[in-house]
Amino acid sequence: GEDVEQSLFLSVREGDSSVINCTYTDSSSTYLYWYKQEPGAGLQLLTYIFSNMDMKQDQRLTVLLNKKDKHLSLRIADTQTGDSAIYFCAESIGFQKLVFGTGTRLLVSP
Amino acid sequence: GAVVSQHPSWVICKSGTSVKIECRSLDFQATTMFWYRQFPKQSLMLMATSNEGSKATYEQGVEKDKFLINHASLTLSTLTVTSAHPEDSSFYICSGPGQGYEQYFGPGTRLTVT
Repeated sequence: GEDVEQSLFLSVREGDSSVINCTYTDSSSTYLYWYKQEPGAGLQLLTYIFSNMDMKQDQRLTVLLNKKDKHLSLRIADTQTGDSAIYFCAESIGFQKLVFGTGTRLLVSP
Repeated sequence: GAVVSQHPSWVICKSGTSVKIECRSLDFQATTMFWYRQFPKQSLMLMATSNEGSKATYEQGVEKDKFLINHASLTLSTLTVTSAHPEDSSFYICSGPGQGYEQYFGPGTRLTVT
């Protein structure tokens, strides 16, 4: 089956870096994504990485992909209180349907 | 990016009634759209793939007679929850694939069944 696992909870102080980890199972995934969801809201695409890349940086966000271990991570530099939300990784399966991870709740304290 | 709208954004209905949720692609044509469900404090789970001009493809464990999907045109897919029960209360989100990596998600519809 397709299981995408994440740690449930992460707590950091404002200004620190946050690292959210994800393990996936389908080695044929073309794209891997990171989404942010605030309470009661829909999904916001933060970034994505193509499966033949190892790293992608986009302003405060750095994505690392280890295909051998099927491990994906999202690093948020200089984390702010506005970054508090639930973060989902997702892998693309077949014709662009997505399998989402279990979600990591990030809490940023002042 | 492209825009996907959903209507209604929030609906409360009584147990046993049916509810229709619309998903529209506002500025692109979608031969395929996906319907996801998210229970409180849980992840999104794919329910079905909506195909324009043909039957929807349902994921394992999703009752096709309960969750009726109709892809009426290249810009509209509907999900009808029939004979709704309180356990159907959830957040329903649709998405339409674009080119390459692109996925355009609707804002979601919160269904509460009393």
